[in-house]
Amino acid sequence: GESVGLHLPTLSVQEGDNSIINCAYSNSASDYFIWYKQESGKGPQFIIDIRSNMDKRQGQRVTVLLNKTVKHLSLQIAATQPGDSAVYFCAENELSGGSNYKLTFGKGTLLTVNP
Amino acid sequence: NAGVTQTPKFRVLKTGQSMTLLCAQDMNHEYMYWYRQDPGMGLRLIHYSVGEGTTAKGEVPDGYNVSRLKKQNFLLGLESAAPSQTSVYFCASSSAHQTQYFGPGTRLTVL
Repeated sequence: GESVGLHLPTLSVQEGDNSIINCAYSNSASDYFIWYKQESGKGPQFIIDIRSNMDKRQGQRVTVLLNKTVKHLSLQIAATQPGDSAVYFCAENELSGGSNYKLTFGKGTLLTVNP
Repeated sequence: NAGVTQTPKFRVLKTGQSMTLLCAQDMNHEYMYWYRQDPGMGLRLIHYSVGEGTTAKGEVPDGYNVSRLKKQNFLLGLESAAPSQTSVYFCASSSAHQTQYFGPGTRLTVL
């Protein structure tokens, strides 16, 4: 089956720098993508999403870019802060039989922000 | 709004014991899900429900049962716990085909 993967399992940045977390997906039929943040001991927290008819979407300090040509998704965090340290998951929403959708998660990238 | 809540937060079981995990959401979501999260495995879907009174199997359903008697609640049961079921369990809810919102998790250890 098709799955979502991440290029880098860990990322270490200095406080104040910008962070870029990458994700590759293989199901061209996926129409919706989500980024989650998971802090230690907590559940995944929604950050931002993007639909397949968009290339870019911006939130507060975060931007998601979608490149459908190469099936690549990235999360950019501006002016990274210590509180941004967490595991970041991308997820794709894909059709799974009939009209049912399935959310498939990547294994995550650990972001560490150094003061 | 409390969002998605899970009970209990922690539990230790002996092999063969049974237990029920409770998930509640106050967002009037139709869809609810149970996942388990293991190191290096990511989030894996156990069972899900697309509405009150309906349930369906996910990726790893064996050894688990679920019930959705009320729209706001989704129960996950382990009839005879095994050490392989040691994991962190997350419940989530969503409107149809929309973003899933997760609870804080239940850490289960089976000895």
